[in-house]
Amino acid sequence: SAVISQKPSRDICQRGTSLTIQCQVDSQVTMMFWYRQQPGQSLTLIATANQGSEATYESGFVIDKFPISRPNLTFSTLTVSNMSPEDSSIYLCSVEGVEETQYFGPGTRLLVL
Amino acid sequence: GENVEQHPSTLSVQEGDSAVIKCTYSDSASNYFPWYKQELGKGPQLIIDIRSNVGEKKDQRIAVTLNKTAKHFSLHITETQPEDSAVYFCAASIRPGYALNFGKGTSLLVTP
Repeated sequence: SAVISQKPSRDICQRGTSLTIQCQVDSQVTMMFWYRQQPGQSLTLIATANQGSEATYESGFVIDKFPISRPNLTFSTLTVSNMSPEDSSIYLCSVEGVEETQYFGPGTRLLVL
Repeated sequence: GENVEQHPSTLSVQEGDSAVIKCTYSDSASNYFPWYKQELGKGPQLIIDIRSNVGEKKDQRIAVTLNKTAKHFSLHITETQPEDSAVYFCAASIRPGYALNFGKGTSLLVTP
């Protein structure tokens, strides 16, 4: 399985600021995904990020709020912009691994005050 | 879009008993159904998956069954152990490697 790391692992931020979350994979992958998991809730897909193309956002998520970069096949960033307390969540990246299964990183726990 | 329903939301069993979690999905185009285990403070971990051309798959104490006609699939854990305690999520997608639609999760507690 792919080894995925995320930075930061957790952060406490003030409203109105922005945070960039990094996702690093130990092998080259075509598709990377960003999910949000609100406290005690399930996972909701934010966007799909393929290298060399614009990210594809799900309904309810917009690029201005969650800009994504995918500069190469092992790395991606998600920025949470102009944060409010409602953005407090766990943000998870995932990648397509062997046999097309999907593996998740450990997550970034964000608290917005 | 796809809607995945998961039941029960909480499940408590005695160590050694079996646990069953059930999911239904709405999109008949879905062909891939993974199950994830999430322990506190960690990301989801894939524990087993099943594809539409298979009705059942087993891996040691864990098994998954799929009924495409009825659009439901289930996770079976036998001989449960305290370390099985976690939140379990079912998911569905049109094919492996594509974005996943998750159920709301089942919090499983295995008591000694």
